[in-house]
Amino acid sequence: DIVMTQSPDSLAVSLGERATINCKSSQSVLRGSNNKNYLAWYQERPGQPPKLLIYWASTRESGVPDRFSGSGSGTDFTLAISSLQAEDVAVYYCQQYFSIPYTFGQGTKLEIK
Amino acid sequence: EVQLLESGGGLGQPGGSLKLSCAASGFTFSSYAMSWVRQAPGKGLEWVSAIDYGDNTYYADSVKGRFTISRDNSKNTLYLQMNSLRAEDTAVYYCAKNGGSSSYNFMDVWGQGTTVTVSS
Repeated sequence: DIVMTQSPDSLAVSLGERATINCKSSQSVLRGSNNKNYLAWYQERPGQPPKLLIYWASTRESGVPDRFSGSGSGTDFTLAISSLQAEDVAVYYCQQYFSIPYTFGQGTKLEIK
Repeated sequence: EVQLLESGGGLGQPGGSLKLSCAASGFTFSSYAMSWVRQAPGKGLEWVSAIDYGDNTYYADSVKGRFTISRDNSKNTLYLQMNSLRAEDTAVYYCAKNGGSSSYNFMDVWGQGTTVTVSS
């Protein structure tokens, strides 16, 4: 199974400041046949189901604010929030869909400083 | 609007069975792979099972041989038959739509979840 490891486990950032969450996979999730990274990011706000933010490592889902961006390739990925808003308080998960079983990172809890 | 509505959760006995349902609307259900993901109390997300548009099924090792995923395209409904329940199956179970017909895809729409508690 591919192990997904996020860092940090928790993060406190001031409103308007940049937040960065890292995700590392135990093996590459880049498929050579189509040059796509099989990596997604989800946001889970308190009391709500997870919401897709980013897929193919860097494609923003429709309706997701452009302050959210994803980057990286192979085994190392980053989710960045350029200017933190109050509604961004949530737990963020990365997930690989390169191979089954799908696996998620342990989650990163983002709070306001 | 794309919607997923889970039902069937509740209290199950250790060794017992429960069947979850997920009613889908707002998209061509038969054209997409579907998944179940669970979240134990205070824990992270764990993928449980998936079924693609061709009815190929996939399971996490933790549920293989005990859970069965299926779909009824005529009813736009996804199911999860859960047998031989264990305490560690206690979780909120989410139904999720995959982003394409293949199971090798992100999950772009999630239901609100249904809670399963396994206890005597």
